[in-house]
Amino acid sequence: QVQLQESGPGLVKPSETLSLTCTVSGYSISSGYWWGWIRQPPGKGPEWIGSIFHSASPYYTPSLESRVTISIDTSKNQFSLKLTSVTAADTAVYYCARDSPSIGLYYMDVWGKGTTVTVSS
Amino acid sequence: SYELTQPPSVSVSPGQTARITCSGNALPKKYAYWYQQKSGQAPVLVIYDDSKRPSGIPEKISGSSSGTMATLTISGAQVEDEADYYCYSTDSSGNQRVFGGGTKLTVL
Repeated sequence: QVQLQESGPGLVKPSETLSLTCTVSGYSISSGYWWGWIRQPPGKGPEWIGSIFHSASPYYTPSLESRVTISIDTSKNQFSLKLTSVTAADTAVYYCARDSPSIGLYYMDVWGKGTTVTVSS
Repeated sequence: SYELTQPPSVSVSPGQTARITCSGNALPKKYAYWYQQKSGQAPVLVIYDDSKRPSGIPEKISGSSSGTMATLTISGAQVEDEADYYCYSTDSSGNQRVFGGGTKLTVL
């Protein structure tokens, strides 16, 4: 079955760029599905960041759109997240997930285990 | 921006039925989804398309939606059902994807 695994630095300095990668196993990401990133600050609910399809432009939540880039590497079966100019407010557990289609929307049906990213000097 | 509203907490005794609500203006047009998150773990999808259960989710967990409110019902709640529950849906365009603030279910 499909599995997702996040990887990347657990500590990022303020004003720098957060970079994470999600490696997908058990499914070829070039075969279909959108793939996305979600984050969850300590003690708060999840927040969808953005999603990407192998042959389409990514789309992002408006509040982060100016700082976020999601890209995909089908040769490695991975997709990645970059978040620039980070502050303490970006400290969170970051999850990657598979987007499943429904009528008029997408929802996340398979999640990675998450990786904690702390923004601190 | 679009919002989904949940009660912060729900508490029931073991064996009772727990109901968690989620309200949003677009719910008459968009499906609701529910995720269970136990401490230190990733969210797990327990209800999709308002009322469908993914494989492996017990029948004690059910969902419904009417008008601007979706409801997650856990019948015969037990201590192992204690978790944070989040509803998820989108605005009417389908582009603004949001989670509710979450409801902490306590069974004691």
